[in-house]
Amino acid sequence: AQSVTQLDSHVSVSEGTPVLLRCNYSSSYSPSLFWYVQHPNKGLQLLLKYTSAATLVKGINGFEAEFKKSETSFHLTKPSAHMSDAAEYFCVVSENSSASKIIFGSGTRLSIRP
Amino acid sequence: DADVTQTPRNRITKTGKRIMLECSQTKGHDRMYWYRQDPGLGLRLIYYSFDVKDINKGEISDGYSVSRQAQAKFSLSLESAIPNQTALYFCATRPSGGAGGYTFGSGTRLTVV
Repeated sequence: AQSVTQLDSHVSVSEGTPVLLRCNYSSSYSPSLFWYVQHPNKGLQLLLKYTSAATLVKGINGFEAEFKKSETSFHLTKPSAHMSDAAEYFCVVSENSSASKIIFGSGTRLSIRP
Repeated sequence: DADVTQTPRNRITKTGKRIMLECSQTKGHDRMYWYRQDPGLGLRLIYYSFDVKDINKGEISDGYSVSRQAQAKFSLSLESAIPNQTALYFCATRPSGGAGGYTFGSGTRLTVV
């Protein structure tokens, strides 16, 4: 069975400081992992994805995430937060099996202080 | 045009009414999904379809039904709406096989009063 846990429901950082959004997963198979972002009153947008290639994945808007199998983690980072990064972020796990369903984390709301 | 289009964007309906949410996609993908989003719960899968003749229940299918009218169209129905179905509903599509990312619609905000 697969599951995903986002460890923080809310993260607040100052503009220009680093962002860390934490995600842990469990999966019986080799997982694919994704981060999605949802801005207020908008749909979901794919930030980045890991699909068994390089463990450090670079996404849009300066975000990146590192797949660490030993820690079953896929934390999202950005070196310097921007006001436009304020949004909700979802970590998602998908098993690479024929069922191919995905599980969403409960989301982390990122606030940026000026 | 958006890759995944959901209609309506917002709807307020009364308890007991039947309502249909529609979704169409121009990605040419076989797989389509309906999710609902509730605060603090992330997205939960209602139904999914791997092709026109393959429809499957998700984790929270009770009270919902779906219809896959064509490869590009996947509608979600609430036969008799109840207040705890108030939520934001997302339609999504993804390619078959592999582990391609999902493309989501902009969501339908449904309020049942």
